[in-house]
Amino acid sequence: DAGVIQSPRHEVTEMGQEVTLRCKPISGHDYLFWYRQTMMRGLELLIYFNNNVPIDDSGMPEDRFSAKMPNASFSTLKIQPSEPRDSAVYFCASSEWGRGITEAFFGQGTRLTVV
Amino acid sequence: DAKTTQPTSMDCAEGRAANLPCNHSTISGNEYVYWYRQIHSQGPQYIIHGLKNNETNEMASLIITEDRKSSTLILPHATLRDTAVYYCIVRFGSSNTGKLIFGQGTTLQVKP
Repeated sequence: DAGVIQSPRHEVTEMGQEVTLRCKPISGHDYLFWYRQTMMRGLELLIYFNNNVPIDDSGMPEDRFSAKMPNASFSTLKIQPSEPRDSAVYFCASSEWGRGITEAFFGQGTRLTVV
Repeated sequence: DAKTTQPTSMDCAEGRAANLPCNHSTISGNEYVYWYRQIHSQGPQYIIHGLKNNETNEMASLIITEDRKSSTLILPHATLRDTAVYYCIVRFGSSNTGKLIFGQGTTLQVKP
């Protein structure tokens, strides 16, 4: 397996524009996580899904952020409208906790810059 | 989930053992201790986890005290490539609460 795949790797956008980040988890994994990392706040859990269903979205900063998982092989994190303070590295991770395996695999991240 | 306390930074000489401590004094009986690391600009990488027994794998060893209030991650022969931020995380082992909450971690600098 190629691991968790995120796209794009880098995104530069203007304030007010819509941004969509994409994630393909490892095949067979039943949990998917979205994290955001900044120097000031470190790694923050935004939302996670179990079997495509959102379980906990308490980390989503505000209504401008939304995440979906239409099927087991794809998830999106959308920011609309984007703001400069959304600039960060966004990581997606997946794991197979349903079978008792507890290691989470992370993608390489998407570096978002909002100007 | 229980909180963890780690030193902000540590140095280690290349080839020597790196011992990274973690305090988790409020850990409950069914919470596991996990260690991840993040090498600059990459996604975090799983290292090891344990409940109460010491654990060892190809990357590291995890020593958990008998009262489970603290643990130590040991990298037996640190290399320059082990320079990274190391995160100690405590979470439930069941699949019902799968989230991993990262703290600030320990920045390990391995020096030649």
